[in-house]
Amino acid sequence: SQQGEEDPQALSIQEGENATMNCSYKTSINNLQWYRQNSGRGLVHLILIRSNEREKHSGRLRVTLDTSKKSSSLLITASRAADTASYFCEYDYKLSFGAGTTVTVRA
Amino acid sequence: KAGVTQTPRYLIKTRGQQVTLSCSPISGHRSVSWYQQTPGQGLQFLFEYFSETQRNKGNFPGRFSGRQFSNSRSEMNVSTLELGDSALYLCASSRSTSGSTDTQYFGPGTRLTVL
Repeated sequence: SQQGEEDPQALSIQEGENATMNCSYKTSINNLQWYRQNSGRGLVHLILIRSNEREKHSGRLRVTLDTSKKSSSLLITASRAADTASYFCEYDYKLSFGAGTTVTVRA
Repeated sequence: KAGVTQTPRYLIKTRGQQVTLSCSPISGHRSVSWYQQTPGQGLQFLFEYFSETQRNKGNFPGRFSGRQFSNSRSEMNVSTLELGDSALYLCASSRSTSGSTDTQYFGPGTRLTVL
């Protein structure tokens, strides 16, 4: 199966700071989605970006997509303790979840 | 609208036993997918069902099987349990009709422990 690769694997930041994580993939895609998982729970959909879009915003989240580099980034601005979670990217099909980036926001 | 529900939430079994997990999708969603999540392997796709037919399958042994009923509810079965089957099993539903990516809505998962 082809998996998205999130980078870094783990991230620890202070509350109020920004968190950036990246996802790389290997094939051409139609769209890419980001999900969040709080400890031991199901995934929650955050945002979808289509291949013809370069940037998308949703609240404190900003997602970019660079199809030439086959990569996407997720930026969380002004992080809060509630943002502590694992973040996954998924592209085009269900096979394509990576190992995730674990974000810890310190108070 | 009620979310995806999974039962049971926690399960303890011993090696060699079999287990059946259940998933009820969001009303109107016809696609149900199953994933296994472990600390070492991350999130691994098991299979997807659409309209009672298995539409896609991941790379798991035949001990893992599933089915979908006419009301879109799905079950997955694991036979001859092994210690390595201990994991969080997640179910997700979506409207997806063509098989391409659609937003998936995940249930809370079933935590299976094999002793």
